[in-house]
Amino acid sequence: AQSVSQHNHHVILSEAASLELGCNYSYGGTVNLFWYVQYPGQHLQLLLKYFSGDPLVKGIKGFEAEFIKSKFSFNLRKPSVQWSDTAEYFCAGYTGTYKYIFGTGTRLKVLA
Amino acid sequence: DVKVTQSSRYLVKRTGEKVFLECVQDMDHENMFWYRQDPGLGLRLIYFSYDVKMKEKGDIPEGYSVSREKKERFSLILESASTNQTSMYLCASSLPRAGETYNEQFFGPGTRLTVL
Repeated sequence: AQSVSQHNHHVILSEAASLELGCNYSYGGTVNLFWYVQYPGQHLQLLLKYFSGDPLVKGIKGFEAEFIKSKFSFNLRKPSVQWSDTAEYFCAGYTGTYKYIFGTGTRLKVLA
Repeated sequence: DVKVTQSSRYLVKRTGEKVFLECVQDMDHENMFWYRQDPGLGLRLIYFSYDVKMKEKGDIPEGYSVSREKKERFSLILESASTNQTSMYLCASSLPRAGETYNEQFFGPGTRLTVL
């Protein structure tokens, strides 16, 4: 079955710590992947996307993600988190026929 | 900036009522989507539309219907609301890349529906 998995459901970090959130996908064909963020009380917004080309993708607010085909992964990283990064993060993939599949989300809490 | 608006942030309805959730986007996007967001389950696709009057079922369409009479507006209808439809409902839109059917989605603020 097609799926996008996020294994970290809750992550707590101190400011300035490095972040890596895992995302694995399980579907064939062309892979198009996204990371979205939902800050408290705000709407979901795009952090970054991968369609093709350079597997290392840079996004907004210092986030990046690396597409590793052999590992079916698209992990999100940030070298130094800030308190304002406290949010819920969703990995998503386009599976074709206008459909997107979302992971279950990772709640990140950054302690000041 | 693309703006996706939803008619209500919070809504409380009673079991059996007919409920309308409205979504409007202002960037002439072709594709529009309705999701429900539940803790621990992520976002699940209810219905989507890729053109006016066109609609397709998503992964959890039971108990819902949709209407898209104009390009900018996509309505979700709960024909007879039930308590298990208490959830956060998110609308999204996207403009497909040239020659493709996908692109990033832009989301509305969500409607938190409580069915009593």
